[in-house]
Amino acid sequence: NAGVTQTPKFQVLKTGQSMTLQCAQDMNHEYMSWYRQDPGMGLRLIHYSVGAGITDQGEVPNGYNVSRSTTEDFPLRLLSAAPSQTSVYFCASSYRFWGNTEAFFGQGTRLTVV
Amino acid sequence: GIQVEQSPPDLILQEGANSTLRCNFSDSVNNLQWFHQNPWGQLINLFYIPSGTKQNGRLSATTVATERYSLLYISSSQTTDSGVYFCAVRGSNYQLIWGAGTKLIIKP
Repeated sequence: NAGVTQTPKFQVLKTGQSMTLQCAQDMNHEYMSWYRQDPGMGLRLIHYSVGAGITDQGEVPNGYNVSRSTTEDFPLRLLSAAPSQTSVYFCASSYRFWGNTEAFFGQGTRLTVV
Repeated sequence: GIQVEQSPPDLILQEGANSTLRCNFSDSVNNLQWFHQNPWGQLINLFYIPSGTKQNGRLSATTVATERYSLLYISSSQTTDSGVYFCAVRGSNYQLIWGAGTKLIIKP
């Protein structure tokens, strides 16, 4: 049982490049989400999904795209990287989005855009 | 929306000391979690505690939902306890709403 697995752990991109951050969970969780954490701050929600085929925007969705084709995977795509997207990205999952909603986090991806 | 406030913002203690961290929230919630973010940036689940009291080793937490606060107790602090402690509650679109954190430094 690996929990929530994020790849890569570190990434450097040039402005304008695109990339996909991978997130997978093996706990059969319905709810998955992506957050970003900027220095000295709490986490802010980018996008979330309440089940396969269903996604929605969070607090800071601009510049990011997501899809949820399976229960296990929830990739985050950066369409055209900008220096403002330099941050640490966390993927999280919960068994449900109601009731017991304890969240489990991946190890994070530290992204630098130059 | 729900506001989450944590206190104190910073705490410096000697190894072996005890501490209490507080989390206040502005509205009723049915989900509250405490996390420890270690110096390497990893987020570690400490407690899922919408109400009541839980204990795990040297750590314990109490949430009084009717009074809209939660407390995290750390006893006999160790240097490995250093890092930032966050509380987070579930908001209206299922997102976690985070406090600003308490930065804890344990000196040997």
